[in-house]
Amino acid sequence: QKEVEQDPGPLSVPEGAIVSLNCTYSNSAFQYFMWYRQYSRKGPELLMYTYSSGNKEDGRFTAQVDKSSKYISLFIRDSQPSDSATYLCVYAGNNRKLIWGLGTSLAVNP
Amino acid sequence: DADVTQTPRNRITKTGKRIMLECSQTKGHDRMYWYRQDPGLGLRLIYYSFDVKDINKGEISDGYSVSRQAQAKFSLSLESAIPNQTALYFCATSGPREGPYNEQFFGPGTRLTVL
Repeated sequence: QKEVEQDPGPLSVPEGAIVSLNCTYSNSAFQYFMWYRQYSRKGPELLMYTYSSGNKEDGRFTAQVDKSSKYISLFIRDSQPSDSATYLCVYAGNNRKLIWGLGTSLAVNP
Repeated sequence: DADVTQTPRNRITKTGKRIMLECSQTKGHDRMYWYRQDPGLGLRLIYYSFDVKDINKGEISDGYSVSRQAQAKFSLSLESAIPNQTALYFCATSGPREGPYNEQFFGPGTRLTVL
């Protein structure tokens, strides 16, 4: 079983839609949960991080963690064409080693 | 100016050639990393360095070597390139203040094609 499972998509939505991106993980030692965003021909950049179960909001973005189910989600409200990118879920344990999901490709159509 | 730069941005080479990819950073970070990214396989760590005298293998180091010439410079070499090393290569950095979640800052990538 892979440590991280992420549906690669692609996901295509109209502008203004609510987007839900999801990952599951298998290692209970993971303590930090992150979403990185990668635009085409660019390196990934940190979008959000959290370390506890529940929701964390940042503008139009909400990261949700359910440790009991080993499941994390990223919600994007009022999606914009500028949100078109690949979104990678990333985990870290105490050793600070990062475990990367494969990424979900998102296209937001005007 | 970009905090993490990579040269070259694109490179086409032939099987058996020696290739060096270079990374420089102005963030003052001690930790530097080399990843490759392949469709369907995601980001995989090749080598990482926590300071100039510390070099560690990642999950896919075979066929690669690295050199940490200074705190700000970290080079990746392919001694004898082969076609399955065709990929997008990223350099990244992180520092001790980047939180326990170890935020990493990536360069723009080098697209390498081995014919």
